Amino acid sequence: AQKVTQAQTEISVVEKEDVTLDCVYETRDTTYYLFWYKQPPSGELVFLIRRNSFDEQNEISGRYSWNFQKSTSSFNFTITASQVVDSAVYFCALNRARTGGFKTIFGAGTRLFVKA
Amino acid sequence: GAVVSQHPSRVICKSGTSVKIECRSLDFQATTMFWYRQFPKKSLMLMATSNEGSKATYEQGVEKDKFLINHASLTLSTLTVTSAHPEDSSFYICSAHSGQGGTIYFGEGSWLTVV
Repeated sequence: AQKVTQAQTEISVVEKEDVTLDCVYETRDTTYYLFWYKQPPSGELVFLIRRNSFDEQNEISGRYSWNFQKSTSSFNFTITASQVVDSAVYFCALNRARTGGFKTIFGAGTRLFVKA
Repeated sequence: GAVVSQHPSRVICKSGTSVKIECRSLDFQATTMFWYRQFPKKSLMLMATSNEGSKATYEQGVEKDKFLINHASLTLSTLTVTSAHPEDSSFYICSAHSGQGGTIYFGEGSWLTVV
């Protein structure tokens, strides 16, 4: 069975603070994809990153960084120097990389509030 | 720009009526599309897998007669909520797979309100 756990329901920080959103996943597949999406109040899902299971390199994109550790089945997301515009719900997701099995399993989401 | 487009983005309908939501892949052909439902402050739950030219595969607990899915072409899947009730009010979002490297694109979502 596949599962994605985002234990943090809500996080509140003050602008310029760093914040890490946790994601733990479960899968028996050896090949899979992990994603992070941002969902602002308007509802659309904004793609942030995709990582395949064979690439454990950490990635940095501006103020965003991701730490993928297969040993702990975690794919954590850090926002450095947070801004009010970062306020949104963030979803971690898992997808099987097999033909015909592209259902995306979402975590429960973490609602981030960044206060000015 | 968007590669998967949903229409309408917002719709209000009366109880008992049916409403159709479209999901189009704009730059690629999608043999498979997915329909998700999201309740307020909740995660996205997969409703069904839409397969071009064949019947949709519904997740457990999803009423196939209530949520009709049609995938008549490689670029269009439609979700029809039949005999809508207020409890069907929700955010519906579709996704499509580009077939290359596992890239998944999501539509902008559709807010349905049944009054």
